[in-house]
Amino acid sequence: GENVEQHPSTLSVQEGDSAVIKCTYSDSASNYFPWYKQELGKGPQLIIDIRSNVGEKKDQRIAVTLNKTAKHFSLHITETQPEDSAVYFCAARTSGGGADGLTFGKGTHLIIQP
Amino acid sequence: KAGVTQTPRYLIKTRGQQVTLSCSPISGHRSVSWYQQTPGQGLQFLFEYFSETQRNKGNFPGRFSGRQFSNSRSEMNVSTLELGDSALYLCASSLDRTGDKAFFGQGTRLTVV
Repeated sequence: GENVEQHPSTLSVQEGDSAVIKCTYSDSASNYFPWYKQELGKGPQLIIDIRSNVGEKKDQRIAVTLNKTAKHFSLHITETQPEDSAVYFCAARTSGGGADGLTFGKGTHLIIQP
Repeated sequence: KAGVTQTPRYLIKTRGQQVTLSCSPISGHRSVSWYQQTPGQGLQFLFEYFSETQRNKGNFPGRFSGRQFSNSRSEMNVSTLELGDSALYLCASSLDRTGDKAFFGQGTRLTVV
């Protein structure tokens, strides 16, 4: 089955700086890669996703890049703000017929220092 | 538009009992999946339903089961509860059979004593 590794487990950055979280996956059949943000006491919130036919996707201060050859994908947050503090999860799955559920990384606790 | 609603939010059960958790997906969403979240194992896939049919099942024992109704609402059941079943159980809904863009509810916090 799929295995997703996520690094780092904790990331502390100064407000206004950029944050990068990296994930690798093992199953070359995986073709859908979402990122979730989870705040304390809440369920994961989808913040951005990318399909394997796209190398990069951007939404305001958030961007995701995908390298299919190396089987890794990354989340980039620019101009970080205090409200970006949360746990971030990457995930992978094979989307479409016969799809499996999402396989999640272990999470990155992002701390924004004022 | 209302989000994914899970009930109850908190539950305390005794070992050996059984429990049923409920999930109401976003209106119009037909795919529902369930995940277990624990500090040690993280987020793990339980099962996924589309149009009342289980499409996929994760690596959990048969004590974990679920179903989906014609209105897309879903329930999961855990029988013969063990201490290790204590976790946050999350339900997510998606628009179609791809299961992409899954939106999660706030979860049900189950404590087994």
